[in-house]
Amino acid sequence: SYALIQPPSVSVSPGQTASITCSGDKLGDKFVSWYQQKAGQSPALVIYQDTRRPSGIPERFSGSNTGNTATLTISGTQAMDEADYYCQAWDGTAVVFGGGTKLTVL
Amino acid sequence: QVQLVESGGDSVKPGGSLRLSCTVAGLTFGDSYMSWIRQAPGKGLECISYINDVGTTIFYADSVKGRFTISRDNAKKSLFLHMDSLRVEDTGVYYCARAVWNWNTGFGPWGQGTLVTVSS
Repeated sequence: SYALIQPPSVSVSPGQTASITCSGDKLGDKFVSWYQQKAGQSPALVIYQDTRRPSGIPERFSGSNTGNTATLTISGTQAMDEADYYCQAWDGTAVVFGGGTKLTVL
Repeated sequence: QVQLVESGGDSVKPGGSLRLSCTVAGLTFGDSYMSWIRQAPGKGLECISYINDVGTTIFYADSVKGRFTISRDNAKKSLFLHMDSLRVEDTGVYYCARAVWNWNTGFGPWGQGTLVTVSS
C-alpha cells in the first residue's frame, strides 16, 4: 500500500519559516493536501491540490510538490501555528495520510 | 454557515455494533463526496471509508472491510456509518468530512467528531 512519510517533529522560532516535508513514491504525480490540527480540535484543510489555499487560510501558508516530496511552508510563523500537520494524497483507490508532524514554535 | 455534526459515538464491548450519523447544513450535500476519517487516541488520521455523491462509488479500508457499512440519505442531508463486530482497535474519534470536489482534492470542512470506545 502507498505510504506517506513525514518527520515526527519540526521546531521553528517565531517569525521564521517552517518547512514540513511529506515523502512518497512519485508523489509529484499526485495531488497533495495538508491539514492543521490544533490540540483538542478537528483537522482543518490549509492546502489542497498541492498549492491552493482554502478561503480564510492566511497567505503565509504555501505548498509545493515535485518528485517524491511535497512541502508545506509557513512563512513568518506565529505562535498560533503550533499544531500537528498531516499531508494526504489519493493513490487511485485509498485516501492516504502521512503520520503527522508536530510543529513547535519556540 | 457550513456545519457537519456527527453523533452516535458511545462506549461498547468488543463484538458490539454502533451506527454513526453525520448531519450536514450550509452546503449542497447531494453534490458532495463524503468520507469517514478516524483518529485513535494520540495517533494520526485514517480514512476508513468514502462514498461519492450518489452512492455508486464506495471505498473501505482493509481495517474495516466486511464490518463497516457507509451509506447516505441525500434528502436528509445525512451520512451514516454502521459498524459491526467492533474491536478494541476501533477506538477513536470518528470524523465526517466533505471532499472539496473529489478524492484528489482534499477534505474540508470536517465535523467536530464523535468518540467511539470499544472496551471490555
